[in-house]
Amino acid sequence: GQQLNQSPQSMFIQEGEDVSMNCTSSSIFNTWLWYKQDPGEGPVLLIALYKAGELTSNGRLTAQFGITRKDSFLNISASIPSDVGIYFCAGQLGGDDKIIFGKGTRLHILP
Amino acid sequence: EAGVTQSPTHLIKTRGQQATLRCSPISGHTSVYWYQQALGLGLQFLLWYDEGEERNRGNFPPRFSGRQFPNYSSELNVNALELEDSALYLCASSLGQITYNEQFFGPGTRLTVL
Repeated sequence: GQQLNQSPQSMFIQEGEDVSMNCTSSSIFNTWLWYKQDPGEGPVLLIALYKAGELTSNGRLTAQFGITRKDSFLNISASIPSDVGIYFCAGQLGGDDKIIFGKGTRLHILP
Repeated sequence: EAGVTQSPTHLIKTRGQQATLRCSPISGHTSVYWYQQALGLGLQFLLWYDEGEERNRGNFPPRFSGRQFPNYSSELNVNALELEDSALYLCASSLGQITYNEQFFGPGTRLTVL
């Protein structure tokens, strides 16, 4: 079945550092999504990408839809303590298809 | 505006029992999705309901079932519970599913099977 490989699994960074994480798949997707989940809460959508090559920003977050449609990355610039959480990538082939989630990247910020 | 709500927050059952989880979508949303989030496994798609009909189903056994009511709220039923069913069950709602519509998630129900 379809799978997303998300890396890294976890990251330990200093406040103020930039962060980069990515997702790859053997399948083509028409939509790539990035979510963040805080403890005890459901995931919240950060960025949605709909076109190959698309680069979209949301504040300090930037995500890109890979040209091959099989990958995507998320960058966070100048990290702050509230960036701590689990980041999930997700892909969807078409409007009637289920969304496939990666296993998440757990971001830790060292004091 | 109220977000997606789920009940109960926590549920403890023993093997072989049945569990019923409930979800109320955001007002105006017709689609409801259920996901299982087990430790270390990310979110696994379970079921999608829209306008009262099951639209898609993930790779889960038939003992996972559900329904959507006329007011668009939804129930997830898990029969013959097994230890590995212990997980956070998340419900999400969206406006509908012609093209991608953002899914808004509830806080989840933590199911523990002893």
